[in-house]
Amino acid sequence: DAGITQSPRHKVTETGTPVTLRCHQTENHRYMYWYRQDPGHGLRLIHYSYGVKDTDKGEVSDGYSVSRSKTEDFLLTLESATSSQTSVYFCAIRPGTDNQPQHFGDGTRLSIL
Amino acid sequence: GDSVTQMEGPVTLSEEAFLTINCTYTATGYPSLFWYVQYPGEGLQLLLKATKADDKGSNKGFEATYRKETTSFHLEKGSVQVSDSAVYFCALSDRSNYQLIWGAGTKLIIKP
Repeated sequence: DAGITQSPRHKVTETGTPVTLRCHQTENHRYMYWYRQDPGHGLRLIHYSYGVKDTDKGEVSDGYSVSRSKTEDFLLTLESATSSQTSVYFCAIRPGTDNQPQHFGDGTRLSIL
Repeated sequence: GDSVTQMEGPVTLSEEAFLTINCTYTATGYPSLFWYVQYPGEGLQLLLKATKADDKGSNKGFEATYRKETTSFHLEKGSVQVSDSAVYFCALSDRSNYQLIWGAGTKLIIKP
């Protein structure tokens, strides 16, 4: 398995609170991604990173921010969580070379009440 | 823009049946194509890939051939097992930015 650890694995919190999810990799890969997975929507890209301090928005970035201060860690923050952000969040990594696939973590199940 | 279309599920088969899950794509240029599998409660795992036309990806008895003329990448397995029950995702990689474009996923249920 690719060395990807997501934490926490499960979290329940209340509307309006800040939430940070962590993705940690031991592969030294250049690219890191945050997705959310919801029934009927498949996988949707939130943000991605192509290097330390280099990030960009995906298709569903509103309400989320990210940071990557070192190669191995990619943080996803919900500044003020809303019930619509209840989802399963997946982190993925990919090396910087052509045609290489993304490899996924085990996910974080986030419930916002 | 680029897109991936998968057959809708769930697909229900008996053990040892032949499996086909259809995947077609729309893309400019020549994308790489992937199949991922997600078992219940787990993350996505790469099942197989193909990077150019006529390539065949294979793994764990599953196969898919990159067909440029029909813009397809159908997943097949000759004899499915109960343990193959999962959700299968087809995806393409845009060569301009290497982001993945995902199909909606197809749930496969194998009955003993």
